[in-house]
Parts: sequence; C-alpha cells; structure tokens
Amino acid sequence: EAGVAQSPRYKIIEKRQSVAFWCNPISGHATLYWYQQILGQGPKLLIQFQNNGVVDDSQLPKDRFSAERLKGVDSTLKIQPAKLEDSAVYLCASSYEWRGANVLTFGAGSRLTVL
Amino acid sequence: KQEVTQIPAALSVPEGENLVLNCSFTDSAIYNLQWFRQDPGKGLTSLLLIQSSQREQTSGRLNASLDKSSGRSTLYIAASQPGDSATYLCAFSTSGSRLTFGEGTQLTVNP
Repeated sequence: EAGVAQSPRYKIIEKRQSVAFWCNPISGHATLYWYQQILGQGPKLLIQFQNNGVVDDSQLPKDRFSAERLKGVDSTLKIQPAKLEDSAVYLCASSYEWRGANVLTFGAGSRLTVL
Repeated sequence: KQEVTQIPAALSVPEGENLVLNCSFTDSAIYNLQWFRQDPGKGLTSLLLIQSSQREQTSGRLNASLDKSSGRSTLYIAASQPGDSATYLCAFSTSGSRLTFGEGTQLTVNP
C-alpha cells in the first residue's frame, strides 16, 4: 500500500512570498488532515477534510492560509503571504475508521523555512 | 481546552533498559488516545491506539496504558534497543476526530 505523498519536501522562501504544498492521501481514505509542526512542538491541526468538504478549520489562520481538496482526493495547502513564524513542517495525513476511531497515516512532511 | 503534557522532554538510556514515557491530559472526556513515533525528518507512525473504554494496549515490546481518572497515559518500552531512538508523541481525541498532541519525548537508546 502506497503511503501519503507530499511535495515539496523542502522549501525556502522570503517573508511575504507565497508557497503551496501538495498532498496525495492513501487511496480510499476519505479523511485528510493538514497539521503544522513547529520545531520542538507537537503537531497542530490546521484543517480537516471529509471527502471534499471541510470538517474543521478552526485553527487555520484564514487571513493567509488556504486549503482545498478538489474531487475529494489530493489536496493543496497555500500560504500567502508567508511570515517568519510560519517556518515549520507541514504534515499531511489521511485516515480510515477503526472501531470508531480515526487511524491516521502521516506523510513525511514539507519543511518550510521563511527568511 | 485540552492540554497535553509529556514528561520527560528528553531521555537517554543504555540499551536493554526498560523505560516509561509519561503523558498527562486535562480533559477526562477523552474519546481515545494514541501514541506515535517520529523519526528525524519523517512523519509520524502510529504505534498504539487505546479506546476510552480500554485500559491498555500491547504491541510487541510496547505497552500503553490509560487512566482516565488520573488523566494519565504511559508508554512502556521493554528491553530498549538503539532502533527505538526517536521522538514519541501522545495524542488525545475528545470527539473521535481531531487529535491534540503533546510536545513529545525525545528518546535516545545508547548501544
């Protein structure tokens, strides 16, 4: 079974520039998540999709972050304009349900450095 | 708001030692908890999942327990090996969906 694919793995940009990350979840997983992990911290949920609908985006800074999941498969997370504090690893995950719990599989992440 | 604390932040042990990682949470109305492993430069790998109705789960040398009344979970690693070196994160769900993560314990097992 192929895992969760993410690209690019690394990105360095200047503040105020824009950046986009792509995620392809495991085939058949209806739920897709984007997490932000700042160095030394645990991941924080940015947005959760169920198929192509948004389930939870309460922690997404909507003034600069946007995400979409067209056709309910792959997803794109965009940051525009970027700030220094956006430097982090952006993790995508997809999940299946097991005994009422969502079991997540994470991608390797996209590391963003904002200078 | 659910707060998750992991102690210690870092741990270094000699190979073969049994060890315990601790995780505490503030909201007893949890739905389930999960323990993850994160290797440097990689994503998270799910290790164990405990439903709120369960008290523990075991997988190989790993055993995770859940005590809702005290707001604690522990991950026990038996006979540690250098390959166990990684960051271990616990995460709780109060709705079966969103996970709230702790900051992790960075484990180093020395040969």
